[in-house]
Amino acid sequence: DTGVSQNPRHKITKRGQNVTFRCDPISEHNRLYWYRQTLGQGPEFLTYFQNEAQLEKSRLLSDRFSAERPKGSFSTLEIQRTEQGDSAMYLCASSFQGRGEAFFGQGTRLTVV
Amino acid sequence: AQTVTQSQPEMSVQEAETVTLSCTYDTSESDYYLFWYKQPPSRQMILVIRQEAYKQQNATENRFSVNFQKAAKSFSLKISDSQLGDAAMYFCAYAGGTSYGKLTFGQGTILTVHP
Repeated sequence: DTGVSQNPRHKITKRGQNVTFRCDPISEHNRLYWYRQTLGQGPEFLTYFQNEAQLEKSRLLSDRFSAERPKGSFSTLEIQRTEQGDSAMYLCASSFQGRGEAFFGQGTRLTVV
Repeated sequence: AQTVTQSQPEMSVQEAETVTLSCTYDTSESDYYLFWYKQPPSRQMILVIRQEAYKQQNATENRFSVNFQKAAKSFSLKISDSQLGDAAMYFCAYAGGTSYGKLTFGQGTILTVHP
């Protein structure tokens, strides 16, 4: 198993554009989590899925953000009408069941110019 | 809401010496877990050690150990025999009893290891 994979690793976009990130979890993991990490800070929880069901969304996840996990496999995080404040590292993690250790991907670094 | 506070933005240690990173947390839950994660530059976060709140015994993993003071809501990480590869950002994190993956992180401590 190659671990949690995130693509792209880096994304530069113009303000107002839409962007989509992908996360491929470890294959047998049924839980998938998204976090946002700004420079020099700890990650902040955004949302998580159990299989294909999105079970919780943070208040940080504004209406411009949407996450999906079709068929309970990979997940996508879309940001519409990006703003400069969206510039951050977006981390994905997965775990097997609720009490399994969370394994993190390397993240997607978004820069909005 | 749960909060996690790391009051040391930066720490440094000489190779082979011991260093302790501090963390305090606040919660009203009785069932929870505490973690220390390591994030090397440009690499993914990895779990260093975890502690179940119901266990009185402090967790240890090789050179890493914790001092868990439940009443004081304190959770420090001790790294013994520090190695150059220990240099990284260290995050203290909290999870409620139903999910290890829904984590509340502290602000992080940058650890520098001097040869």
